Amino acid sequence: QVQLVQSGAEVKKPGASVKVSCKASGYTFTRYYMHWVRQAPGQGLEWMGIINPSAGNTNYAQKFQGRVTMTRDTSTSTVYMELSSLRSEDTAVYYCARETPGVSYFDYWGQGTLVTVSS
Amino acid sequence: QSALTQPRSVSGSPGQSVTISCTGTSSDVGGYNYVSWYQQHPGKAPKLMIYDVSKRPSGVPDRFSGSKSGNTASLTISGLQAEDEADYYCCSYAGSPYVFGTGTKVTVL
Repeated sequence: QVQLVQSGAEVKKPGASVKVSCKASGYTFTRYYMHWVRQAPGQGLEWMGIINPSAGNTNYAQKFQGRVTMTRDTSTSTVYMELSSLRSEDTAVYYCARETPGVSYFDYWGQGTLVTVSS
Repeated sequence: QSALTQPRSVSGSPGQSVTISCTGTSSDVGGYNYVSWYQQHPGKAPKLMIYDVSKRPSGVPDRFSGSKSGNTASLTISGLQAEDEADYYCCSYAGSPYVFGTGTKVTVL
């Protein structure tokens, strides 16, 4: 069965960086795109960007350009999302979500990773 | 890209129907038949309920249905049940990015 298992909660200071992982299993890793979506406490969902695990190419939301980097390791079927220059507004639960190429929806989600930014 | 507009909350008694609207622009909802809906219970990850405006994934009850007219998409829950109480988010492809709705809390009275 398809599973997306994310890394554990993180606490970071303002200005630091955080790297969240999402390990995929139960399907061919390189055949599906992976998105990152975040949700601030009590707020809605916000799309951050997408990575194609096969080629490694990415597309980021304009809001995060220059601060976010999405990478993948095909040997471990893991995608990563690194966010730099953290500020308190980046406190949120970060989700990875899978997309079948060309279908434009997210069929499987990770369990979420809480990132807290606090001095 | 601005978030799609949803009502903050809707409510209904068990067995009733509720409809959630999702209003965007011609650059997102109106421009593509790629609207999806997600259900989110507290502390849980979102779950896909509707895709491509009106299609249901396997395992989603047929009480859930979707539609679209112009720049507004809608999710209808018929025969409301207690377990339907959750937050619901619409999402639209918008060319390159995706944009989510502001979210709607469905309360079962």
